[in-house]
Amino acid sequence: DTGVSQNPRHKITKRGQNVTFRCDPISEHNRLYWYRQTLGQGPEFLTYFQNEAQLEKSRLLSDRFSAERPKGSFSTLEIQRTEQGDSAMYLCASSPPGQGSYEQYFGPGTRLTVT
Amino acid sequence: AQSVTQPDIHITVSEGASLELRCNYSYGATPYLFWYVQSPGQGLQLLLKYFSGDTLVQGIKGFEAEFKRSQSSFNLRKPSVHWSDAAEYFCAVAPGRSKSTFGDGTTLTVKP
Repeated sequence: DTGVSQNPRHKITKRGQNVTFRCDPISEHNRLYWYRQTLGQGPEFLTYFQNEAQLEKSRLLSDRFSAERPKGSFSTLEIQRTEQGDSAMYLCASSPPGQGSYEQYFGPGTRLTVT
Repeated sequence: AQSVTQPDIHITVSEGASLELRCNYSYGATPYLFWYVQSPGQGLQLLLKYFSGDTLVQGIKGFEAEFKRSQSSFNLRKPSVHWSDAAEYFCAVAPGRSKSTFGDGTTLTVKP
């Protein structure tokens, strides 16, 4: 399978704990995006990388959230001191380089439940 | 800032009937527009996209969409719905390679 992969698929954690999610984009895709989706809503943008550079961050991304893409390949999203409001589906997407390549390919998501 | 409105939260159609899902966007320039489909507990799959050129675009699974600049709309259509089309559909707008802004989705139920 050469699609976007995300791990873990599900995570249950207690409030106050830290969690980390991983996203592996499609090979040779240089752009990588993180979104958050809650029930009944569309995905909301969190952050965006081109290669290893983090080019844009949403105001939704509080100081408890941090994302990295150290070698321009996989990315991690860490949430520190989780709160119940962090419960959501976290989606990763990647996009290829080149002119006219604007569509994003999504992974299956990581569902986070904070108890 | 760009925004997307999907006026219909939930639509029910009979199998074999035609379908139209509405999408209105707000963006200052010519947008890049997308429709995605999401099955329960899954990620999003791209159905079709519009960047420029012909305003009627064809996608996968027999879907098509028409870009109407004068109405700021990008409605999704299918002439004959199959039971497997039951899912949630999202319209999105993007200024280019940057973030996409999504609508809140329309849930499609297909009656046998």
